[in-house]
Amino acid sequence: DQQVKQNSPSLSVQEGRISILNCDYTNSMFDYFLWYKKYPAEGPTFLISISSIKDKNEDGRFTVFLNKSAKHLSLHIVPSQPGDSAVYFCAASVGGAQKLVFGQGTRLTINP
Amino acid sequence: KAGVTQTPRYLIKTRGQQVTLSCSPISGHRSVSWYQQTPGQGLQFLFEYFSETQRNKGNFPGRFSGRQFSNSRSEMNVSTLELGDSALYLCASSWTSGRSDEQFFGPGTRLTVL
Repeated sequence: DQQVKQNSPSLSVQEGRISILNCDYTNSMFDYFLWYKKYPAEGPTFLISISSIKDKNEDGRFTVFLNKSAKHLSLHIVPSQPGDSAVYFCAASVGGAQKLVFGQGTRLTINP
Repeated sequence: KAGVTQTPRYLIKTRGQQVTLSCSPISGHRSVSWYQQTPGQGLQFLFEYFSETQRNKGNFPGRFSGRQFSNSRSEMNVSTLELGDSALYLCASSWTSGRSDEQFFGPGTRLTVL
């Protein structure tokens, strides 16, 4: 039972444009959501998070939107840069606990 | 400040054997979590240790076990290895338990079971 789903295994975006990565979840107990970025041969790196009491959180070029009624969150990267090419994982937890439930990941490729 | 280190980085074992993986957290961090990453199941939480006590556990069989030492270093053990245990095993450390955005991941140990 996949509680966190990233339905797009890959996404290709032109440099300078907006990248939108999507994530859906089924467990209504989740109240804390995170996005991680992973390069090959490295562990995931934390990008941005959002609590369920908010619907938007912004950090530089990265913005996360949360739609609780649709159980959907998205990560926007504007403008996209070549260094953003990586695999992006969304994750969720209950009460901000260390036990994270991850999606399958989306491979983002930024084309020059 | 040194990051999370995991040893060994690569390991090849055969079915039925057991394996021990090690994780050294960032200095001062007291929580260590372990995850398994496979192509089919993605990243799955194994367990978390904080101050030498297991705080959380994922849905893995008892063949998967762990422990944490007084210096916060953690080991994960898998007994009676199966082919399906081939995966990248990641550990993550944080200063405290209960703040998932403060987790820092190591590079992982790639385990191959033949």
